[in-house]
Amino acid sequence: DQQVKQNSPSLSVQEGRISILNCDYTNSMFDYFLWYKKYPAEGPTFLISISSIKDKNEDGRFTVFLNKSAKHLSLHIVPSQPGDSAVYFCAASASGANSKLTFGKGITLSVRP
Amino acid sequence: DTEVTQTPKHLVMGMTNKKSLKCEQHMGHRAMYWYKQKAKKPPELMFVYSYEKLSINESVPSRFSPECPNSSLLNLHLHALQPEDSALYLCASSQVFGSYEQYFGPGTRLTVT
Repeated sequence: DQQVKQNSPSLSVQEGRISILNCDYTNSMFDYFLWYKKYPAEGPTFLISISSIKDKNEDGRFTVFLNKSAKHLSLHIVPSQPGDSAVYFCAASASGANSKLTFGKGITLSVRP
Repeated sequence: DTEVTQTPKHLVMGMTNKKSLKCEQHMGHRAMYWYKQKAKKPPELMFVYSYEKLSINESVPSRFSPECPNSSLLNLHLHALQPEDSALYLCASSQVFGSYEQYFGPGTRLTVT
């Protein structure tokens, strides 16, 4: 029973264009969401997060949007760069869950030069 | 220094062997975590230590034995593992137990033969 779903296993985007990575969740208790980026042979790196009291959080080229009613969040990367090519994990946590993160399966982003 | 280090990078062990995985962080974080990640799957939480005390054990078999000798070090002792235990073992840390942003190490790729 997957509580965090990243239904598209991969995405390919041209350099300079926007990358949109989607994530859906089923547990209505989740109130904090994070995106991690993972290069091969490295551990996941924290990228950006959003609390359920917000619907948008922006950090440079990265913006995360949260639609609580749809239980959906998305990560926008603009403009996309070849160095953004990696696996992106969506993760969620619930207050009182002692910071336990539930991860999605990840999506592989390829940015073509 | 935002680095979590793990040794060894790769480990091959037989089912009767005893080995240990090591993790170290010098960010002053007081929560440390062990995750297991199988191919094409999200990381799965195994253990959480808070202030050097075991706070969460996600029903992990006793052939995995965690240890937190001090606030900077986390070990995972392995004994009588099964081939299905082959996976990437990730260590992570966060400021305190309850902080959502976790910093991951590169992982140890474990193969049980």
